[in-house]
Amino acid sequence: EPEVTQTPSHQVTQMGQEVILRCVPISNHLYFYWYRQILGQKVEFLVSFYNNEISEKSEIFDDQFSVERPDGSNFTLKIRSTKLEDSAMYFCASSFTRVPNTGELFFGEGSRLTVL
Amino acid sequence: DQQVKQNSPSLSVQEGRISILNCDYTNSMFDYFLWYKKYPAEGPTFLISISSIKDKNEDGRFTVFLNKSAKHLSLHIVPSQPGDSAVYFCAASETSYDKVIFGPGTSLSVIP
Repeated sequence: EPEVTQTPSHQVTQMGQEVILRCVPISNHLYFYWYRQILGQKVEFLVSFYNNEISEKSEIFDDQFSVERPDGSNFTLKIRSTKLEDSAMYFCASSFTRVPNTGELFFGEGSRLTVL
Repeated sequence: DQQVKQNSPSLSVQEGRISILNCDYTNSMFDYFLWYKKYPAEGPTFLISISSIKDKNEDGRFTVFLNKSAKHLSLHIVPSQPGDSAVYFCAASETSYDKVIFGPGTSLSVIP
């Protein structure tokens, strides 16, 4: 069964360092997303990406964050200068059509980011 | 700004009995609702969804009920199995936006 894969599974970094989280969405999917879950809190939307551009982003997704689809398969989230409060589990997700039309996001297993 | 609320952080149910997980929402523009299940160290997996034009959707042991006037939905699992023990997230979206808003989750324990 096709799946979304994410690397690394866990990254520890120093505050102020740049981090890149990588995702390989399901191959025929067209919409790509990043969500995050701070420990003990809810899953929060960060950004959606379609047709090589950001289609929507949340207030959390400030100038420190960026996304890129550098080739036909990878989808990356970059945090330019990490802060302690960026520590969270980051989930990549993909869907074939817009979620409100079909209702199904496929999530990866997550990348745990720990900022010291 | 809690647009999707799950007021029960946890729920314990005997194996074989019905599990009822509740969800309330505040945004009347939501027109699509979803339930996701999450095991530790895994990403959320889609369970079942319902459009606002329906009041019930059933898939095997899982049924979702939607009461639009009360802005309330519930997930029924019958019969509950130990493998159903997980965190269940209620989520909602509206046609105009790509994002899905998640509730805080309810941790379900099914006791053998």
